[in-house]
Amino acid sequence: QTVVTQEPSFSVSPGGTVTLTCALSSGSVSTNYYPSWYQQTPGQAPRTLISSTNTRSSGVPDRFSGSILGNKAALTITGAQADDESDYYCVLYMGSGSWVFGGGTKLTVL
Amino acid sequence: QVQLVQSGSELEMPGASVKVSCKASGYTFSNFAIHWVRQAPGQGLEWMGWINTNTGDPAHARGFLGRFVFSLDTSLRTAYLQITALSGEDTAVYFCARKTTGESGYLDSWGQGTLVTVSS
Repeated sequence: QTVVTQEPSFSVSPGGTVTLTCALSSGSVSTNYYPSWYQQTPGQAPRTLISSTNTRSSGVPDRFSGSILGNKAALTITGAQADDESDYYCVLYMGSGSWVFGGGTKLTVL
Repeated sequence: QVQLVQSGSELEMPGASVKVSCKASGYTFSNFAIHWVRQAPGQGLEWMGWINTNTGDPAHARGFLGRFVFSLDTSLRTAYLQITALSGEDTAVYFCARKTTGESGYLDSWGQGTLVTVSS
């Protein structure tokens, strides 16, 4: 069973930069997994931030960016703001019509 | 605009069944798959599977075989998630989401979520 791992929690100061990552239990994440990223605040539906590694969805501020860093997918927030405090999830395409969510990262801005 | 509207919260007894609906508007329903995602209380998002809205063919994640049924009513532009033999472990918010086409596709529009509570 493939497990997708994210940092359980992260903290960033307002205006700071933070990079959240998304790793596979075995193997490296590449663009072939078409990593996407979603933001969720409590009680709300997820919001799509990034698709296909680094494509920002419409309306998403450019302080959010996606990439591959080493063997992981990464979401970088540059110039963090208070309303970026949320849960962030990555999703990887595993092939054969199957996707897996990471466990999510709770980001605190303080 | 693209919109997915889900049915309201449900309270069910253990052993019962529940059917959650997801009504689509603002786009050609058969052109985009519908995916289902579960979120247990205080937990993360979990991919359950999807249904091809053109053929009606479903595909399930490993942990969602058997009791979880994906179906459609294309005339109503609505996808359904039915869960049978409910237990407390099924208490969760269930989201539907539209997926863009192709392997590189992603979940670009989400329903508001439906809370299913299983309790006696």
